[in-house]
Amino acid sequence: NAGVTQTPKFQVLKTGQSMTLQCAQDMNHEYMSWYRQDPGMGLRLIHYSVGAGITDQGEVPNGYNVSRSTTEDFPLRLLSAAPSQTSVYFCASSRQGHYGYTFGSGTRLTVV
Amino acid sequence: RKEVEQDPGPFNVPEGATVAFNCTYSNSASQSFFWYRQDCRKEPKLLMSVYSSGNEDGRFTAQLNRASQYISLLIRDSKLSDSATYLCVVNVTGGGSNYKLTFGKGTLLTVNP
Repeated sequence: NAGVTQTPKFQVLKTGQSMTLQCAQDMNHEYMSWYRQDPGMGLRLIHYSVGAGITDQGEVPNGYNVSRSTTEDFPLRLLSAAPSQTSVYFCASSRQGHYGYTFGSGTRLTVV
Repeated sequence: RKEVEQDPGPFNVPEGATVAFNCTYSNSASQSFFWYRQDCRKEPKLLMSVYSSGNEDGRFTAQLNRASQYISLLIRDSKLSDSATYLCVVNVTGGGSNYKLTFGKGTLLTVNP
């Protein structure tokens, strides 16, 4: 099993550009989440999903969209990139919400 | 009060030392509790879940006190490979089947030869 796969690993965007961060898991996990990690801030929840077709906002959802059309995939879309979105983004999945989560290896995004 | 607070650290200890990390959480509706470790520029990895009865995994012991809303992690006989950031994580129910992980900011541990 590949676990949780995130692409790309690195990305540089110009302010105002849009892009999609991909996340896929092959463990048939219902729960998936997106986090961003910034120095001194810890990991903060952006959006999460408890199953296909169901998503909800986390702590810092502004500027991001998600959808969950399949169990396996949970893409994160940046609508109009801003320098404040420079961060490391982690996708994570779990069999059920109260189990531990498995994280992808992250996407390092720089917005210039 | 922050949802999950940890010792700010950093901790620098010699090999073989015992080190303890402490964590408090503010939401009494919290359902499940974990310790994760994160190596530099890597993703967080689950170290162990934390149960009210306390649990042990080799050199690692985790404790939970629901009344005090306090979680701890003890590492005995520390190894160089234990050097990492340790994250206290609490799963807070959002109602129904919605669960959200809330992370502490982490405590950096460096084990020195």
